[in-house]
Amino acid sequence: GAVVSQHPSWVICKSGTSVKIECRSLDFQATTMFWYRQFPKQSLMLMATSNEGSKATYEQGVEKDKFLINHASLTLSTLTVTSAHPEDSSFYICSANRYRGNTEAFFGQGTRLTVV
Amino acid sequence: GEDVEQSLFLSVREGDSSVINCTYTDSSSTYLYWYKQEPGAGLQLLTYIFSNMDMKQDQRLTVLLNKKDKHLSLRIADTQTGDSAIYFCAEGGGKLIFGQGTELSVKP
Repeated sequence: GAVVSQHPSWVICKSGTSVKIECRSLDFQATTMFWYRQFPKQSLMLMATSNEGSKATYEQGVEKDKFLINHASLTLSTLTVTSAHPEDSSFYICSANRYRGNTEAFFGQGTRLTVV
Repeated sequence: GEDVEQSLFLSVREGDSSVINCTYTDSSSTYLYWYKQEPGAGLQLLTYIFSNMDMKQDQRLTVLLNKKDKHLSLRIADTQTGDSAIYFCAEGGGKLIFGQGTELSVKP
């Protein structure tokens, strides 16, 4: 199967700083990637759709100035949590589809963000 | 909007079969998925089924789809302690809508 890699796997940062999380498709090109957030003991909630070469599409209630998404190449999307606060602490997971349309989504291993 | 519902907990004894149920609302979904998540880890795709199928079997896993009732189930045969995890069903294609997850506990 296709491989999607996230980096870092975990990160601890101070309040007010920014953190960048990378999502890479290692053996295929992904024009679209997706960012999800998971709070403890809860399900995954879609935050935004990352489109290569264009602006990301954010889900309702997600602050686009807070969660900056950049999809600069066909194999890399980044999520930057700006001016992080403790309530931003969560598990962030990305996914990518190998092909356009309604097909299998491959997930990264996730990034555990803790803001202190 | 789309919604996916699962029961939250299931407890079985080792060697028994586990059946995890899921209902969804979006009848246009082409794919339905089952993912496994172990503590502190990402998502592992277990299996998926096309909406034009009724059943799919893959080793110990059997997926049943009742499209009329919008009901999806995952049966794990001969459940082992290593199967203890949270299981998510999801619908969609690129972006997925997830259920709340079912925590499966396997007792020796």
